[in-house]
Amino acid sequence: DAGVTQSPTHLIKTRGQQVTLRCSPISGHKSVSWYQQVLGQGPQFIFQYYEKEERGRGNFPDRFSARQFPNYSSELNVNALLLGDSALYLCASSFQNTIYFGEGSWLTVV
Amino acid sequence: GEDVEQSLFLSVREGDSSVINCTYTDSSSTYLYWYKQEPGAGLQLLTYIFSNMDMKQDQRLTVLLNKKDKHLSLRIADTQTGDSAIYFCAETLSGGYQKVTFGTGTKLQVIP
Repeated sequence: DAGVTQSPTHLIKTRGQQVTLRCSPISGHKSVSWYQQVLGQGPQFIFQYYEKEERGRGNFPDRFSARQFPNYSSELNVNALLLGDSALYLCASSFQNTIYFGEGSWLTVV
Repeated sequence: GEDVEQSLFLSVREGDSSVINCTYTDSSSTYLYWYKQEPGAGLQLLTYIFSNMDMKQDQRLTVLLNKKDKHLSLRIADTQTGDSAIYFCAETLSGGYQKVTFGTGTKLQVIP
């Protein structure tokens, strides 16, 4: 069975640009969450979506946005990129209290 | 508020047991998780425990929860070099949406 899949795996962007990251949850999972993991730290919660609706948002600026599609896949968008946005972005898919993470998208902002 | 703390580093010899410790502050924790992260990779769910349980065992892994002291531990029996990684303790809280709060991670080094 496929796990949580994310794309792209690596990308490099310039300050001020915009980026879109994609996530496909495990089949049957309706909840998708996004996390940011800066080097040397634990992941930080950005968003949770369930049944296409935003259920929760972490302490991130409005430059961060997301959406969930009818097939439960999700996109994370970050506008006006800053150097500090360089991180591993992780998508999590959950069913009840079992939470699985993908391999992440490595974003480097130069 | 939510706070999950772990020691930063643990070194053990191959074949020994490893014990990774974690403390959390919020008494409304519902589920507590252990994740493993290898270099350059995502998070692998190892195990999780409901907050009204004391212990959970899964093959080489044993999770112990002391709810009174808000202390969680992960014991890895017969530690192998492939167990070398960063281990994250994490919690979710009751009510509202599902948000996982992670500790800073414990780097486990297994010496052959």
